[in-house]
Order: sequence, then C-alpha cells, then structure tokens
Amino acid sequence: AQSVTQLGSHVSVSEGALVLLRCNYSSSVPPYLFWYVQYPNQGLQLLLKYTSAATLVKGINGFEAEFKKSETSFHLTKPSAHMSDAAEYFCAVSDPGGGFKTIFGAGTRLFVKA
Amino acid sequence: KAGVTQTPRYLIKTRGQQVTLSCSPISGHRSVSWYQQTPGQGLQFLFEYFSETQRNKGNFPGRFSGRQFSNSRSEMNVSTLELGDSALYLCASTSDPGGISPLHFGNGTRLTVT
Repeated sequence: AQSVTQLGSHVSVSEGALVLLRCNYSSSVPPYLFWYVQYPNQGLQLLLKYTSAATLVKGINGFEAEFKKSETSFHLTKPSAHMSDAAEYFCAVSDPGGGFKTIFGAGTRLFVKA
Repeated sequence: KAGVTQTPRYLIKTRGQQVTLSCSPISGHRSVSWYQQTPGQGLQFLFEYFSETQRNKGNFPGRFSGRQFSNSRSEMNVSTLELGDSALYLCASTSDPGGISPLHFGNGTRLTVT
C-alpha cells in the first residue's frame, strides 16, 4: 500500500530564510505526487503536482519541489519565507492502481518568525 | 467556476445522535471523496464516489456512510455519534480520481460531539 512520510510535524524559519519541507513516499512505481497547503479554517489548496513531465516542479507562491526517484523523495522548498507562508503543508500521493484515492502525509506546520 | 461547497460549516451534536453532511462538487467533476481530519490522525480517507457508486472505502466503522446523487452532489452520514467523531470533515472533488488531476477541497464541516 502507498504511504507518505513527512519528516517534522513542525518547522520554524525566520522571514526571508529558506523553507524546506521533507516528504518521502513508498512506491515501486513512481506515483503522482502533490503538495497541498491548508490555512486555518479552510480546506486544502493545491501548491504543485508531479506527473513525470519534469523532475523540478514549480508551484504557486514561489514554491517548488524536486522529484528524486533514487531517494523516493519529493521535498518542498521556497528560497525566501514570507509571513503569509505560515500554514500546514501536506504531501500526498495518488496511484492509478490504488483504488481511486489520494493518501496524505501527516502534515508539517510551518511557522515563520519576523 | 464555483468551488466545492460544503454545508453546514459548523455542527454541534450530542453523543448518540446522527448527522448528515452535504457536499456539492465543482461542476463537471463526477468523483467525490470524503476525508476526516483530526489533530492526532491527520487526514483519513473515508470513501470515494463516482457516478453514484462507492468505489473505495477507508477503514471506518459502518456508522459512517455516504451516497452520491445523479447530479454528483454527495452526502455523508454518521450515526450513533461518539466523542471521537469530533473532527473536520472535508469533501473533495476531481475529474480523475487516483490519477493526474488534483483534488479540489471544500472548506469543510467542523463537527463537535458533546
């Protein structure tokens, strides 16, 4: 069965610093990978997705993620954090043979200090 | 294009009661998935419907049920509520479940069981 592991339930960075949120997936076949963001009292919004077209994927709000098959990783980065980036971030995987469902990681809450 | 709409936004129920939550997907999306989100368990898959058929179900007791109507709107029902059912219930729609298209989420229904 597919699974997603996000390292670190909480990450704190200073405004202007690099943001790095880690995600590893388990799959013998590269799946479709996604990063979502959730702001308080809202649903999840798509940040970016990997669909095998390119290993470096650019998303909204300056975020990007790199797919590394050898490491089964899909880490999310942003060069310079902004206060508005404070939110919870979820890595997710869907698998065409996985029963029409998307599996989410436990989430990483990002704190941005002024 | 209107997004995914969930009603109501907030619900307070007593143990033993039942509750029905509603979800209207994005126009044209025939797949609707439901997730339960709690601080301790993260996002847990409940079930997925496509063209009025449940195609997959998560590991939840039979008290959790759902259905989908011919216009793709979906409802989920929880009977004999327990304190542990308190959670944010998220509905998501997509044109391609388990595949390349991402999920589009509503803002959720916050259920509190007292």
